[in-house]
Amino acid sequence: EIVMTQSPATLSVSPGQRATLSCRATQSVSSNLAWYQQKPGQAPRLLIFDASSRATGIPARFSGSGSGTEFTLTISSLQSEDSAVYYCQQYKNWPPMYSFGQGTKLEIK
Amino acid sequence: QLQLQESGPGLVRPSETLSLTCTVSGGFISSGTYYWGWIRQSPGKGLEWIGIIYYSGSTYYNPSLKNRVTISVDTSKNQFSLRLSSVTAADTAVYYCARNLAYCGANCYSSWFDPWGQGTLVTVSS
Repeated sequence: EIVMTQSPATLSVSPGQRATLSCRATQSVSSNLAWYQQKPGQAPRLLIFDASSRATGIPARFSGSGSGTEFTLTISSLQSEDSAVYYCQQYKNWPPMYSFGQGTKLEIK
Repeated sequence: QLQLQESGPGLVRPSETLSLTCTVSGGFISSGTYYWGWIRQSPGKGLEWIGIIYYSGSTYYNPSLKNRVTISVDTSKNQFSLRLSSVTAADTAVYYCARNLAYCGANCYSSWFDPWGQGTLVTVSS
């Protein structure tokens, strides 16, 4: 089983600044990693797939990087609406055995 | 625009079976390109993948739930469903349905989930 660990658990950043969120896998998932944003009372929304490709309609201030076991979601020029919990998900294997990180809560000061 | 909507009882008694349905609009399950899945979210365990199904009925389940889970599809209604048996309080969660962009050509490839339904809270309590 591939376990995904996100850090930090909570991040507080000022508007206009940059936020860097991390996701680590217990074994290599190559580039088979997605990032989601979840706001209170809403379903997760896909931000990034294949580690660095932005989903349709996602602003360019969201970017993903990494491969293997270490991944980063960077949100540049933070806006108030970016306040949310962010999750990573790996999808390396077939048959599928999907797993998610426990989330990073991003607060905008 | 593809949309998914979960429906079903919000309260289930312990030891009984949880049953939910996901209705897909704006696209057809039978188009055959992708899989369709269930994910749940509880405060104690975060996001947990339950399983996925293809329009043909082929399924893959999370091994930790495999003995209690059945996912089925009804292409005539453009719906797929989840049944989870012998529920306990630990199964209390928000249940989401979502499209899974896994696909099979010469080989099969796992993928991400997009879009998701709004989710439905299921509480297990007597």
